[in-house]
Amino acid sequence: AQSVSQHNHHVILSEAASLELGCNYSYGGTVNLFWYVQYPGQHLQLLLKYFSGDPLVKGIKGFEAEFIKSKFSFNLRKPSVQWSDTAEYFCAVNAGRDSSYKLIFGSGTRLLVRP
Amino acid sequence: GAGVSQSPRYKVAKRGQDVALRCDPISGHVSLFWYQQALGQGPEFLTYFQNEAQLDKSGLPSDRFFAERPEGSVSTLKIQRTQQEDSAVYLCASNIGGSINEQFFGPGTRLTVL
Repeated sequence: AQSVSQHNHHVILSEAASLELGCNYSYGGTVNLFWYVQYPGQHLQLLLKYFSGDPLVKGIKGFEAEFIKSKFSFNLRKPSVQWSDTAEYFCAVNAGRDSSYKLIFGSGTRLLVRP
Repeated sequence: GAGVSQSPRYKVAKRGQDVALRCDPISGHVSLFWYQQALGQGPEFLTYFQNEAQLDKSGLPSDRFFAERPEGSVSTLKIQRTQQEDSAVYLCASNIGGSINEQFFGPGTRLTVL
């Protein structure tokens, strides 16, 4: 069965620090990869996605992620975090050929950015 | 336009009670998904509709869970004889179809079973 692992459950950073959140998935076939974010009191919303092409994907608010197929990884990065990036971040995958298109989520990483 | 809406936002049920959770997807969205999110966990897939057809219900944890989307728009997730382990946030998402397209999530219904 497909699964997604997020290595860090809680991350605390100071403003302007660099961020990298790990995500690994288990599925040998074609996959689509997503990072969703949930700001306090808000809905889950899409940060970025990868489905083909350039493995370095840029999303909203200065976030980017790199798909490394050989490592089954899709780590999220931001060079300089802001206090407003405080949120919970979820990595998700669906199998590109799975007709149900369901998302398999990791357990999430809570990021706290200190001013 | 309006996003995905869910009602009620909060529901407290006594063990054994039946509950019904509603989802209004974004107008025109073909695909609709239900997920269950337990405390401290990521969302877990429950079921998927394409228009009115329920194409995947592999994630429903037991036969007490039932979902429908009779007219291909609004969907209802029903839980019969609720148990304490059913306490979670139930999320609804919709998209225009296709695995590469963003799923838009609603605010969720927080169910607490006492």
